Amino acid sequence: SQQGEEDPQALSIQEGENATMNCSYKTSINNLQWYRQNSGRGLVHLILIRSNEREKHSGRLRVTLDTSKKSSSLLITASRAADTASYFCATTGNQFYFGTGTSLTVIP
Amino acid sequence: GAGVSQSPSNKVTEKGKDVELRCDPISGHTALYWYRQSLGQGLEFLIYFQGNSAPDKSGLPSDRFSAERTGGSVSTLTIQRTQQEDSAVYLCASSLAEGYNSPLHFGNGTRLTVT
Repeated sequence: SQQGEEDPQALSIQEGENATMNCSYKTSINNLQWYRQNSGRGLVHLILIRSNEREKHSGRLRVTLDTSKKSSSLLITASRAADTASYFCATTGNQFYFGTGTSLTVIP
Repeated sequence: GAGVSQSPSNKVTEKGKDVELRCDPISGHTALYWYRQSLGQGLEFLIYFQGNSAPDKSGLPSDRFSAERTGGSVSTLTIQRTQQEDSAVYLCASSLAEGYNSPLHFGNGTRLTVT
């Protein structure tokens, strides 16, 4: 399967701490995208990193991509209770392939 | 409202009945996707429409599932003779252009429960 796999499956941290989630995939990609899903809602696009990029920032988000290791990480700095959600990586080759997600809980 | 709209938000049906799920994509978005999400799981690709091209139906799990997109806009996903294993959240997403540099915009989904 080309599907991304997120790690860890669940993460619980205190407000103000940083949260790091990882994504591994199996085949070559065009780009990699991270999405967020609040309970009972659809996914919301957070950030896209192209296959020729190594790092990208957007506000409190930092994404890295290592195509040699077929992995990506999403770092959320100075987490807030409102960051509580599930986070998915999506790899794009011939299709969008989503992983099973990391469930993040930020404790106030 | 400029987002992707899905209806109904919740649907409870008896095993063996047919259901229709509707998706209104963002105006001007040429690509439309249907995904299925089971409890605590990732997204399972079902079908992809791009403009006037033939849809990519490679993800449909059985011939009980079908979808159409009329006039390049609204899409309907139909499940015939529903089974309990069809219970899931069905998500629709649209994007501005063909290709994978355009992010997906998702609706809030239809939660289908088959009793």
